[in-house]
Amino acid sequence: GIQVEQSPPDLILQEGANSTLRCNFSDSVNNLQWFHQNPWGQLINLFYIPSGTKQNGRLSATTVATERYSLLYISSSQTTDSGVYFCAVGFNQAGTALIFGKGTTLSVSS
Amino acid sequence: KAGVTQTPRYLIKTRGQQVTLSCSPISGHRSVSWYQQTPGQGLQFLFEYFSETQRNKGNFPGRFSGRQFSNSRSEMNVSTLELGDSALYLCASSLGLDRGLLSSYNEQFFGPGTRLTVL
Repeated sequence: GIQVEQSPPDLILQEGANSTLRCNFSDSVNNLQWFHQNPWGQLINLFYIPSGTKQNGRLSATTVATERYSLLYISSSQTTDSGVYFCAVGFNQAGTALIFGKGTTLSVSS
Repeated sequence: KAGVTQTPRYLIKTRGQQVTLSCSPISGHRSVSWYQQTPGQGLQFLFEYFSETQRNKGNFPGRFSGRQFSNSRSEMNVSTLELGDSALYLCASSLGLDRGLLSSYNEQFFGPGTRLTVL
């Protein structure tokens, strides 16, 4: 069935370190988004990236749709980067629904 | 441009009651989707409305229903509340014009959520 798997589940970093979060998905996609969930629960859009590479400041993302994975890179981590990062995928067979991974919890300490 | 708004932000109900949550999408967006987030099940898709019609539905019981108005605002209703319905309910909007295509029209933007507690 449709699956979205994120790794690692938890990540602990010192401020200034770099990190890579991975999202594997099981089928052809029509949508792939990365979100950061803030402590109040709101999902903040980071990238809409069903294919290709994008960069926004210290964050960048790459999706290789043919190999069914996406990567989120965070460089020079700051304490404000802490929180839960979700990958959400839209599959052709599921219409417009986003299927979410379980998330990666990132903790950055100073 | 204003973002997605949801009301109320917090709600406490008792078992057996019903509840209605409201979502106003970004101006110009015609698609509204609803999601439920719980610690055990994570984020799960409930349903999507486009131009006042339910276009897609997740795997939830019939106690969960929704509707969309002509101005694209949406409401979801949960009847006969159960303890397990306690969750953060998130609404997302998108332009929704090119369903199934690799287009930024599919990008979804989320509201702040309604936190429902059922006692």
